[in-house]
Amino acid sequence: EDKVVQSPLSLVVHEGDTVTLNCSYEVTNFRSLLWYKQEKKAPTFLFMLTSSGIEKKSGRLSSILDKKELFSILNITATQTGDSAVYLCAGSGSARQLTFGSGTQLTVLP
Amino acid sequence: DTGVSQNPRHKITKRGQNVTFRCDPISEHNRLYWYRQTLGQGPEFLTYFQNEAQLEKSRLLSDRFSAERPKGSFSTLEIQRTEQGDSAMYLCASSFIERKSAGELFFGEGSRLTVL
Repeated sequence: EDKVVQSPLSLVVHEGDTVTLNCSYEVTNFRSLLWYKQEKKAPTFLFMLTSSGIEKKSGRLSSILDKKELFSILNITATQTGDSAVYLCAGSGSARQLTFGSGTQLTVLP
Repeated sequence: DTGVSQNPRHKITKRGQNVTFRCDPISEHNRLYWYRQTLGQGPEFLTYFQNEAQLEKSRLLSDRFSAERPKGSFSTLEIQRTEQGDSAMYLCASSFIERKSAGELFFGEGSRLTVL
């Protein structure tokens, strides 16, 4: 059975801090690792990673995948209160459906 | 708005009643997924369709749950004889598998079910 584990479960920081969220996965016939942001409603897509060692960036957010060690990290620099959300990591394998982790609840204080 | 649409957004029902949720995916998407999410957890896969064919069902999907996508467009998820443990957010998502970004799912806002 596919499994995705995220850490930490929750994180409280102050505006301007940099945070690193972790995701480890065990996915049969792994194809891609995805990150989503969820703010009390639908998860919204952030990144999809398929190749090891290639960083994807979007503004202050970046993510990288290590297929050998089976993990990914999501970095957020210069955090803002608007970054407060649950960040979900999901793995896609042979089944083509996503297996999600429990998420990391990020709270950014002003 | 051409995103994934779900209704109703909220449903409160008494234990033992049947409920039905509807999902309208993004129009050109050929895959449609149902997930369930409870507080503090990530979404859990229930089932998915490619066009009108239901290709996979999770063990979470008991006999009381049935999903259809009759014409390969909208989908319905019915829960019969609801139980309090069915209380959750039911999320629908769609994707287009032939494109490179096939793993990216677009989610609807969800249908929140409360069973009293």
